[in-house]
Amino acid sequence: SDELAQPPSMSVSPGQTARITCSGDALPKKYAYWYQQKSGQAPVLVISEDTKRPSGIPERYSGSSSGTMATLTISGAQVEDEADYYCYSTDSGGNQRGVFGGGTKLTVL
Amino acid sequence: EVQLVESGGGLVQPGGSLRLSCAASGFTFSNHWMHWVRQAPGNGLVWVSRINDDGSSPIYADSVKGRFTIARDNTKNTLYLQMNSLRPEDTAVYYCARGPETSGYYIDYWGQGTLVTVSS
Repeated sequence: SDELAQPPSMSVSPGQTARITCSGDALPKKYAYWYQQKSGQAPVLVISEDTKRPSGIPERYSGSSSGTMATLTISGAQVEDEADYYCYSTDSGGNQRGVFGGGTKLTVL
Repeated sequence: EVQLVESGGGLVQPGGSLRLSCAASGFTFSNHWMHWVRQAPGNGLVWVSRINDDGSSPIYADSVKGRFTIARDNTKNTLYLQMNSLRPEDTAVYYCARGPETSGYYIDYWGQGTLVTVSS
């Protein structure tokens, strides 16, 4: 299956580490990407190609991938990190259509 | 600065049609693949369609294939989504999004979205 599975929600206290997982059968052969979406706003790319952090994204954001699971880690989460996080990849078909995970609501309080 | 500005959303009856536009600026539009992504109220992101840099290869999600058509005009720096045979389940905010030059399969910038409501 090309579906990407994420936990619906998680909660951490400020300063703690948040780890958001994304599992998918195709991930051993595909890159994972991560998007942050704050309430009422458009998504923002925070991690590309499993581990790369785009310019302007704080260093506390990092990504990793092993086997069928990709992980977004926010080290020392801040209140402003509270948002929905979506993983993304492409399917295993020849057209490589896009696929999003269901999203994880991160609460920091 | 990369800017993507969607327009054309609104209220349409089931079975009706609507054409969305996305005006791009701040980058060389013709060098980038482009995407449409939608988000139903209170729900997650759903990939809808992608088109390559010269418009020769459109790709669609199964849920819209045969009803939606993605197109682009590189002389006008504009992306389009023609939506026909609309259904209530097509109600969503539709985002125009850019794929980076290095790999058009993912998205590096997003517009602010335009709301499409399909209801009688």
